[in-house]
Amino acid sequence: DADVTQTPRNRITKTGKRIMLECSQTKGHDRMYWYRQDPGLGLRLIYYSFDVKDINKGEISDGYSVSRQAQAKFSLSLESAIPNQTALYFCATSAVTSGRMGSYNEQFFGPGTRLTVL
Amino acid sequence: GQNIDQPTEMTATEGAIVQINCTYQTSGFNGLFWYQQHAGEAPTFLSYNVLDGLEEKGRFSSFLSRSKGYSYLLLKELQMKDSASYLCAVSNDYKLSFGAGTTVTVRA
Repeated sequence: DADVTQTPRNRITKTGKRIMLECSQTKGHDRMYWYRQDPGLGLRLIYYSFDVKDINKGEISDGYSVSRQAQAKFSLSLESAIPNQTALYFCATSAVTSGRMGSYNEQFFGPGTRLTVL
Repeated sequence: GQNIDQPTEMTATEGAIVQINCTYQTSGFNGLFWYQQHAGEAPTFLSYNVLDGLEEKGRFSSFLSRSKGYSYLLLKELQMKDSASYLCAVSNDYKLSFGAGTTVTVRA
């Protein structure tokens, strides 16, 4: 089944450590995204990539970096983790979907990574 | 900038109807999405509106008024499994801006 996977699913780390969260997809989509979700704040976009050579900052990119190693892989790094980066992180992919409303860009989310920074 | 507002919580009884409102003020607009998210799980797509009016899909309907910057998601014949968060998201240039989500609790 074509899917979006994230590793690890849970991670506890300490302040100052470098952390990498990985995302892989078998959907064949070009567009990939990283979000974080905090209670009361909803999903916020960290970085996005529309193809292998394209990287763009989202609304909250400070303290994060990304790497698009291949069409199917998009990694998020925290160079020096801090406690306020404790959150639920989601990777998503998107492609144009055709429906009764015409064509639209539906996003498909991975299962999430719960990161705790102590 | 993006400003997307929806109520934080709603409670309803099994079999009833609930309407979740979403208002938005955004710098661009390519359409409005509704996603459902069960606790601890990934968001999943429910509906998409780009033109004014009502889109019906089974027990769920979504409405859009672009001139008013307003949408609602209507959940009919509520079931216990509908207890979840419902996320309103505005699309602009293949990116989504999300509201904080509305947690719906369905009681027996």
